[in-house]
Amino acid sequence: AQSVTQLGSHVSVSEGALVLLRCNYSSSVPPYLFWYVQYPNQGLQLLLKYTSAATLVKGINGFEAEFKKSETSFHLTKPSAHMSDAAEYFCAVSRGGGADGLTFGKGTHLIIQP
Amino acid sequence: EAGVAQSPRYKIIEKRQSVAFWCNPISGHATLYWYQQILGQGPKLLIQFQNNGVVDDSQLPKDRFSAERLKGVDSTLKIQPAKLEDSAVYLCATSTGGSYNEQFFGPGTRLTVL
Repeated sequence: AQSVTQLGSHVSVSEGALVLLRCNYSSSVPPYLFWYVQYPNQGLQLLLKYTSAATLVKGINGFEAEFKKSETSFHLTKPSAHMSDAAEYFCAVSRGGGADGLTFGKGTHLIIQP
Repeated sequence: EAGVAQSPRYKIIEKRQSVAFWCNPISGHATLYWYQQILGQGPKLLIQFQNNGVVDDSQLPKDRFSAERLKGVDSTLKIQPAKLEDSAVYLCATSTGGSYNEQFFGPGTRLTVL
């Protein structure tokens, strides 16, 4: 069985500061990992995905994530926060491949302070 | 290309009533998922279809929830009878299938059960 833990239901950073959203996973098989963003009243949008090709994954809008097997982590980062980054972020793991249904974490609400 | 369409966007019903949600996938997407997102939580997979066949419905409360995907295109999710705890956003997602595949999410249907 898979599970995802996102540390911190709310994270607040100043505009221009580093964004770090934490995600730890549990999986009995090599995981397929994803980060999604959800803006108010909109559907989820894929930010990036880990496909085992490279441990450092670059996504859209300047976000990236590093897969660390020893720490079972897949933390999301962005060097400089922008006001438009304010949203809900979800980490997710897939069981046997990208086509399988996703198991999501509870989400982290990112707040950007001006 | 057009995205995943869902209707209605909002629905308010009394407990014990029935309700149905509709999803129209992106053209050519063989795999379709229904997720339930309760306020403050991440989405939870209810059911996955591959064309018109069910791949995974292990988390679907089958005593009250049902879903179908006739002809392998549109899908309908039904709740009968609804309970208070069914209040949530119901998300439909689709993908072309295969490994490392991105799931495209619709805007969701917000259900309130009174």
